[in-house]
Amino acid sequence: DTGVSQNPRHKITKRGQNVTFRCDPISEHNRLYWYRQTLGQGPEFLTYFQNEAQLEKSRLLSDRFSAERPKGSFSTLEIQRTEQGDSAMYLCASSPLPGNTGELFFGEGSRLTVL
Amino acid sequence: GENVEQHPSTLSVQEGDSAVIKCTYSDSASNYFPWYKQELGKRPQLIIDIRSNVGEKKDQRIAVTLNKTAKHFSLHITETQPEDSAVYFCAAPTQGGSEKLVFGKGTKLTVNP
Repeated sequence: DTGVSQNPRHKITKRGQNVTFRCDPISEHNRLYWYRQTLGQGPEFLTYFQNEAQLEKSRLLSDRFSAERPKGSFSTLEIQRTEQGDSAMYLCASSPLPGNTGELFFGEGSRLTVL
Repeated sequence: GENVEQHPSTLSVQEGDSAVIKCTYSDSASNYFPWYKQELGKRPQLIIDIRSNVGEKKDQRIAVTLNKTAKHFSLHITETQPEDSAVYFCAAPTQGGSEKLVFGKGTKLTVNP
């Protein structure tokens, strides 16, 4: 499968623990996005990268969230000191085009449950 | 920033009927309007998109219409089938140096056999 790959697919953790998610985009896709999706809602933007540069981070994102994309390939999203409100599906998407007028190819997501 | 409103939140139709989902957006500079389909437990996938230089686009049983004056766009599905049952999301891009898609809250479509 040459689509966007995310792991782990499911993560259950206790409040206060740190978690890290990984996203492997479609190769040669320069753009990589992280979105968060809660039940009954649309994907909510978190951050995006153009190659290795993080170009934008949502104002809603607290400083407990950090994302990296070293070498412009895979990306990681880390959440420190998790809270119950962090429980959600974390979606990664990649795009071959610059700008925001092209198809996003989503991964299957990483579901986080914070107890 | 861009704000996207989507209606209805749920829609139930009989197989063979048509379904229409509507979205409004706030930024008059937006120029690209995609629709994504998300089946239960699956990833969102693009089903159709339209750019601001056209008013309508069709792909078999699916069509999207755009009214730039009123700042709304709609998804039309004709001859619905049970496999059309899913959550559908509209989206619009932000402008002014921010390059991301803003999604609507979604419409859960149920096609009853």
